[in-house]
Order: sequence, then structure tokens, then C-alpha cells
Amino acid sequence: SQQGEEDPQALSIQEGENATMNCSYKTSINNLQWYRQNSGRGLVHLILIRSNEREKHSGRLRVTLDTSKKSSSLLITASRAADTASYFCATDVSGNTPLVFGKGTRLSVIA
Amino acid sequence: DAGVTQSPTHLIKTRGQQVTLRCSPISGHKSVSWYQQVLGQGPQFIFQYYEKEERGRGNFPDRFSARQFPNYSSELNVNALLLGDSALYLCASSDTGWISETQYFGPGTRLLVL
Repeated sequence: SQQGEEDPQALSIQEGENATMNCSYKTSINNLQWYRQNSGRGLVHLILIRSNEREKHSGRLRVTLDTSKKSSSLLITASRAADTASYFCATDVSGNTPLVFGKGTRLSVIA
Repeated sequence: DAGVTQSPTHLIKTRGQQVTLRCSPISGHKSVSWYQQVLGQGPQFIFQYYEKEERGRGNFPDRFSARQFPNYSSELNVNALLLGDSALYLCASSDTGWISETQYFGPGTRLLVL
């Protein structure tokens, strides 16, 4: 089944550095979303990018989408210890198909 | 406004038992979806209900069932529990009927099956 796969599986950086994580998927998509999860609790929606968009920003977050390469990246600038979490990409094929999540990237930001 | 709420937060059951998990969506949201998240994996879609009707079902056995009430709250039932059902069960609500739009997740119910 179509699924996003995040890369790397784990990432450890110093506070103030930028963090980049990538998501690759297998088939054409409708939307791609990024979510954050702290300590195995509920997910928090970060950004939704549609297949006809190439880049979106939200505060310190920047998401890019390259449909020709079937990949997306999430950049967190000037990271903080509070950014420590798991980050998941989720894709869907059409508006009425469920989100399919990847396995996530575990980000650790060291103060 | 309150976010999505789920109860209970933790649950321990034994194999063969049945469990009911509950979810209240964000006020005004008519769509509720259920996800199972096994340790080390991303959430996996189980069901979506919109306006009290099932809109989508994931690849889960018939032991899993759900319903949505007139106030848009929802219950997920799992019968004949297996060890492999141990997971974090997440409920998400949305203000549209489209499964693929932004989902607002609750804190989850952690189920342990012994």
C-alpha cells in the first residue's frame, strides 16, 4: 500500500541548529501533511501542502513538495528543546481516501 | 474550546475480552476517525464516521467496530482481544467529511492486552 517513509529515522541536533527531515512516497498524492507527536501522545497537525503547491511556511517551519521526485521535506529552523518529538508525514491519494502515515522521524534537540 | 477528548487514558485487558473506547470531537466537528498506533509505527487508519454514517474502513478485522452518536461522539469496540491489539488508539476529528483533510487528534487511549 502507498506509504510515506521518513528519513532519517532519528536525528539529534543542538538547540539553535536547523533540522531537516524528509518524506518519500510511492504513488501520486492529493495532499501531504506533517504531524508532530510528543512522547507517544496525540498528534498535532503542523502543515498541509497540496499536490499543486511547492512550498509552504508556518512560523519556523518550511515544507517543500517535489511531486516529480515523490518527496517532501520539513525544515525546522532555530530549533528548541521543545521541538523534541516524533514527526510524521501523511499522504492521501484522493480527497476521500484515508491518510497513510509513515513511521516517523524522532528528533532530539539538545539544550 | 476543548480539544478532542478520549477516555479512558489507559486500559489493561486480557486476551479474549472486549473493550470500548470513547471519543468526543471538537465542538462543531462532525467527522470522527479512529487510528491504531503500534509502538514504533505511524498511526494506521481504522474507521471514519461523518454525520453518524461510516465513511471509511481500514484493513482491520471484523472484531473492530465503531459507531457515532447524535452528538457526534464516537465509540470504538474491539472484541476477542489479541495480544497484538496492544497499542495507542487515537481519535481524530475534522470539520469536513473528507478523510484526507486536517485531523485534530486526541491524546489517545493506551491499551495493553495481557
